[in-house]
Amino acid sequence: GAGVSQSPRYKVAKRGQDVALRCDPISGHVSLFWYQQALGQGPEFLTYFQNEAQLDKSGLPSDRFFAERPEGSVSTLKIQRTQQEDSAVYLCASSPGTSGTYNEQFFGPGTRLTVL
Amino acid sequence: AQKVTQAQTEISVVEKEDVTLDCVYETRDTTYYLFWYKQPPSGELVFLIRRNSFDEQNEISGRYSWNFQKSTSSFNFTITASQVVDSAVYFCALSERDDMRFGAGTRLTVKP
Repeated sequence: GAGVSQSPRYKVAKRGQDVALRCDPISGHVSLFWYQQALGQGPEFLTYFQNEAQLDKSGLPSDRFFAERPEGSVSTLKIQRTQQEDSAVYLCASSPGTSGTYNEQFFGPGTRLTVL
Repeated sequence: AQKVTQAQTEISVVEKEDVTLDCVYETRDTTYYLFWYKQPPSGELVFLIRRNSFDEQNEISGRYSWNFQKSTSSFNFTITASQVVDSAVYFCALSERDDMRFGAGTRLTVKP
């Protein structure tokens, strides 16, 4: 079956531009997570949804970062006025469970964002 | 605050050697979960194992084994008879339900 997909796979933005990153979770998965992975580092938790409800957004680095999942399926991570420090791989994961990050997560291939 | 430390940044072994990847964590919660994920060169994180804080039994799955010791806050991962296909970055992670913290990862290179 289809896994988690993310688009675009690569994105180059000029500093100050807005970007939108899309995540299609595994069908039927209730929970969806976003992570930021800088080069040579482990993923850092950004936010997570249970269905359409955003239950935790404590990891979002600034108010320029915004995530939504309006119909409880596809999610979009938006970054406004991108800065060079936003350059990273953005990973999306989904899980069938409702116990937050306690459950196994299925990860997508990520979107590599480069801000020039 | 929770924290996961993987002290080994890079490990290089020759095929068929055994290798252990260390993971030490910090948490004040009594309920938590620990994970290991593998990130091959393709980039997608692959789930390997999950343990909850109340289950300290060691686990073996084929060539993989995990040693969880609450007394030392460690959750180490051993690959027996390593193979070239085991080459990847391995991440240990700690979950306290609504937050997930990954270590910085250990890059394992297995040479033929």
